[in-house]
Amino acid sequence: DVKVTQSSRYLVKRTGEKVFLECVQDMDHENMFWYRQDPGLGLRLIYFSYDVKMKEKGDIPEGYSVSREKKERFSLILESASTNQTSMYLCASKTRGRQETQYFGPGTRLLVL
Amino acid sequence: AQKVTQAQTEISVVEKEDVTLDCVYETRDTTYYLFWYKQPPSGELVFLIRRNSFDEQNEISGRYSWNFQKSTSSFNFTITASQVVDSAVYFCALSDSNSGYALNFGKGTSLLVTP
Repeated sequence: DVKVTQSSRYLVKRTGEKVFLECVQDMDHENMFWYRQDPGLGLRLIYFSYDVKMKEKGDIPEGYSVSREKKERFSLILESASTNQTSMYLCASKTRGRQETQYFGPGTRLLVL
Repeated sequence: AQKVTQAQTEISVVEKEDVTLDCVYETRDTTYYLFWYKQPPSGELVFLIRRNSFDEQNEISGRYSWNFQKSTSSFNFTITASQVVDSAVYFCALSDSNSGYALNFGKGTSLLVTP
């Protein structure tokens, strides 16, 4: 079974803090993704990585950065958290190929005060 | 532009009713892939089905069935004899050359099944 884990289920941070969200997958997948989910907006792609040390901007990268130093780990970084980054963050991974299925982690609910 | 449209924002049914969740997609590709995911209250997205554009056969898995019609660009999902445990948000998603490695999701349909 594919396993995607995220470091925290719930996180509370203050405005201006630097926030790290970690995602780890155990299936040797090349591709990894970060989405945020907001009511009425569905899932929106923040960043993705198609291989180690590779990263590509998604639809809403502003205010975020990512790191992929190892194949199994994909980190999302909020350089200076703001209240409008309060959201549900979902990580996913898949193997190469457009037809391949993305598998998701349990999500991190982030509240920025 | 919205590439995947789930027009139904919320649906409420009584247990044992059948319910269909609509999904309409837009793509210029001849090869593409469609997906359905379920998101229960716990939050994790659970993969349900993947369908490629060359396979228009309908699929049935227990109480779940999917109707893929290229002529209307639709990939609808039906739950037969719904149960309370089916209560969740359901997402339809598209993978084509424009989405690159990622998925283009619809906004989801929230299904509530009451006893």
